[in-house]
Amino acid sequence: SAVISQKPSRDICQRGTSLTIQCQVDSQVTMMFWYRQQPGQSLTLIATANQGSEATYESGFVIDKFPISRPNLTFSTLTVSNMSPEDSSIYLCSVDNLRGQETQYFGPGTRLLVL
Amino acid sequence: GENVEQHPSTLSVQEGDSAVIKCTYSDSASNYFPWYKQELGKGPQLIIDIRSNVGEKKDQRIAVTLNKTAKHFSLHITETQPEDSAVYFCAALFAGGGADGLTFGKGTHLIIQP
Repeated sequence: SAVISQKPSRDICQRGTSLTIQCQVDSQVTMMFWYRQQPGQSLTLIATANQGSEATYESGFVIDKFPISRPNLTFSTLTVSNMSPEDSSIYLCSVDNLRGQETQYFGPGTRLLVL
Repeated sequence: GENVEQHPSTLSVQEGDSAVIKCTYSDSASNYFPWYKQELGKGPQLIIDIRSNVGEKKDQRIAVTLNKTAKHFSLHITETQPEDSAVYFCAALFAGGGADGLTFGKGTHLIIQP
């Protein structure tokens, strides 16, 4: 099966700083998504990372706070900017159209704690 | 937008018994319904999915049923084992044009009692 990796796997950050999370897939995919999972909660879609154009953000999420890059069909980054303790969450990337399969597979997540 | 309700939030069953988790969705245009299992410290793992043109799908001890008229779908796990203990999420995908992410239920913490 395909491998989806995220870096870092976890981090502890100071408020006011920014963190960039990387998502790498070992094969080309059409769609990549970024989700947030707050402690003990469900997953909420942040945005769709579009290759060659700006990301599409869901209600409640803005580009200034969560800038996203998608330079090619196997890689994306999510930056959490000007962090506050409320940003402490698990951030997950997912991909679909993985080797022709129409479903979504998730990476292992990045566990972020903001102090 | 789509809204997905999931019940129960916690389910405790004896090892060997069956477990059933139920979800309802709001948007009749949704056409894809996956189920994910998330173990502590890991990302969600797809365990089974169903599309709107199918009423039931089985994979060994796991089955999913879909009632489009009532807009609900269920996960059935038979002969439960300790390794089935995890949080299970249902989700729905709205195929309204463009590329959309999944809308998730709030999750069910399944506890298998030995």
